[in-house]
Amino acid sequence: EAGVVQSPRYKIIEKKQPVAFWCNPISGHNTLYWYRQNLGQGPELLIRYENEEAVDDSQLPKDRFSAERLKGVDSTLKIQPAELGDSAVYLCASSREDYYEQYFGPGTRLTVT
Amino acid sequence: EDQVTQSPEALRLQEGESSSLNCSYTVSGLRGLFWYRQDPGKGPEFLFTLYSAGEEKEKERLKATLTKKESFLHITAPKPEDSATYLCAAPGNTPLVFGKGTRLSVIA
Repeated sequence: EAGVVQSPRYKIIEKKQPVAFWCNPISGHNTLYWYRQNLGQGPELLIRYENEEAVDDSQLPKDRFSAERLKGVDSTLKIQPAELGDSAVYLCASSREDYYEQYFGPGTRLTVT
Repeated sequence: EDQVTQSPEALRLQEGESSSLNCSYTVSGLRGLFWYRQDPGKGPEFLFTLYSAGEEKEKERLKATLTKKESFLHITAPKPEDSATYLCAAPGNTPLVFGKGTRLSVIA
């Protein structure tokens, strides 16, 4: 069974530039999560999807972050414009249903200069 | 406010030296307690889910236990390949809350 796929693995951009991350979850997993992980910290949930519906986006900074999950499969997380404080690892995870064990992708390491 | 606290922040063990990692939680409406392992440069890898006090689960040299207020990850006779950051997480009525993790180093 293929795992969660994320791309790109690394991204370096200048502040104020836009950036997008892509995630393909495990087949059959209805719930998809985007997390942000800063160095030495645990992952912080940004948004959770049940199929194509965003059911929890309370911690997503909506002034600059947006996400979509068209057709309830792949998902894209966008930041526009990026700020220096957005430098972090962005993780995507999926699970069969909410509150079941989540399986994580390798993450995208974003550096904003 | 839902909180998950892990201790110690870092732990250094000699190969074969058993120890325990702690995860204490204050989460309303707890729907399970999850343990993950994270290697540098990788996403967290699922280890265990515990749902009720008194429950135990084992995998190789790891055993996870759960009480009403905390969970322990016991590592028996660890090997260098067990070196990683171990994270616990608890979903409650608020978004899934992760602890900051315990960085385990096992020295040969």
